[in-house]
Amino acid sequence: KNEVEQSPQNLTAQEGEFITINCSYSVGISALHWLQQHPGGGIVSLFMLSSGKKKHGRLIATINIQEKHSSLHITASHPRDSAVYICAVNTYSGGGADGLTFGKGTHLIIQP
Amino acid sequence: DAGVIQSPRHEVTEMGQEVTLRCKPISGHNSLFWYRQTMMRGLELLIYFNNNVPIDDSGMPEDRFSAKMPNASFSTLKIQPSEPRDSAVYFCASTTSYQPQHFGDGTRLSIL
Repeated sequence: KNEVEQSPQNLTAQEGEFITINCSYSVGISALHWLQQHPGGGIVSLFMLSSGKKKHGRLIATINIQEKHSSLHITASHPRDSAVYICAVNTYSGGGADGLTFGKGTHLIIQP
Repeated sequence: DAGVIQSPRHEVTEMGQEVTLRCKPISGHNSLFWYRQTMMRGLELLIYFNNNVPIDDSGMPEDRFSAKMPNASFSTLKIQPSEPRDSAVYFCASTTSYQPQHFGDGTRLSIL
């Protein structure tokens, strides 16, 4: 069983729809990350969170530590949001950075 | 501000050859990570350094892989000898403690 599970694997929606991508993890974490990877291949960090909720523009990320679950929401989706969204976690909490464990990603397509 | 710089962007070589991938982290970042991305396995951590010291190399697949960080501004990942199954996109990322990771554009490696 993977330590980080994402759903759905693939999602196609119409422009303007509200999008939700889910991430569940089975290990103790110090932080959870949402990353975006465009077809060109570059990876960009969207959010890093360890509790509660963060918002940036039309993107919202939430995390429930007790339930080991996080969601990424996109409001008023647009074709330029089409990308692979990847959930990843830091498992070490002793101070200092540590490597990420990744989910398999959610391939999102927003049709005009 | 320059991001994480990786070179080369693309590498095509024959099986058995030595391959060297290079990474320059963001100035001031004290943690550096090497990741590999394949269709089958997704993104995986290979090795990471804190303050130029290797912390966790448990993701390095075999003795054919080695990584060094001789100073705070440069790291290499070497594969010798290379095999077709090493074909992947290799990402370098850097960060400071409790901050999101910044990814380079990756090196697309093809071993024929």
